[in-house]
Amino acid sequence: AQSVSQHNHHVILSEAASLELGCNYSYGGTVNLFWYVQYPGQHLQLLLKYFSGDPLVKGIKGFEAEFIKSKFSFNLRKPSVQWSDTAEYFCAVTPNSGGYQKVTFGTGTKLQVIP
Amino acid sequence: NAGVTQTPKFRVLKTGQSMTLLCAQDMNHEYMYWYRQDPGMGLRLIHYSVGEGTTAKGEVPDGYNVSRLKKQNFLLGLESAAPSQTSVYFCASSYNLELRGSSVANVLTFGAGSRLTVL
Repeated sequence: AQSVSQHNHHVILSEAASLELGCNYSYGGTVNLFWYVQYPGQHLQLLLKYFSGDPLVKGIKGFEAEFIKSKFSFNLRKPSVQWSDTAEYFCAVTPNSGGYQKVTFGTGTKLQVIP
Repeated sequence: NAGVTQTPKFRVLKTGQSMTLLCAQDMNHEYMYWYRQDPGMGLRLIHYSVGEGTTAKGEVPDGYNVSRLKKQNFLLGLESAAPSQTSVYFCASSYNLELRGSSVANVLTFGAGSRLTVL
């Protein structure tokens, strides 16, 4: 079974600082990878996803993530954060194989951006 | 296009009471899920369904039951609520995406959540 680790539980940054949130997964085969974002009081929304091809994927609101297969990582980055990026960020993984495959979420990273 | 709609949004129960959370989606998605979200624990899958009339257990199914009588609806029931079931519950749905000849269910669309408190 797959698993996901997000080592940063709570990150506090000032506006304009650069962001990198770590995500490592454990699974022996091919995977699909996701980042979801949950703004305060709201539901989870897809931020970006990786299926195949270019390991650097770009999502909404200036976020990007890089899939490094050798490190089993899919870290989320943003060059310059804004106060509106304050949210909880979840990494998720699902095996890429036939039939239904379970989506496994990490425990989340709370990002607080200080104006 | 409403997406995924959950009702009710808030509910307070006493220990031992029963209730049902309703999830409805209008995207014709085959797959539906119920998650619970607790601080520091991320999202944990309670039950899921891969099609009308089918359900399966997730990571934390004990104390919950589900039904998927219609494709667009997925009900989560608590027969005898316990304080440990105080949580925020999210319903989600997804479509079966074809990738390189393999079928993969992914890209979840979530509802707004239902906050349940059991006293």
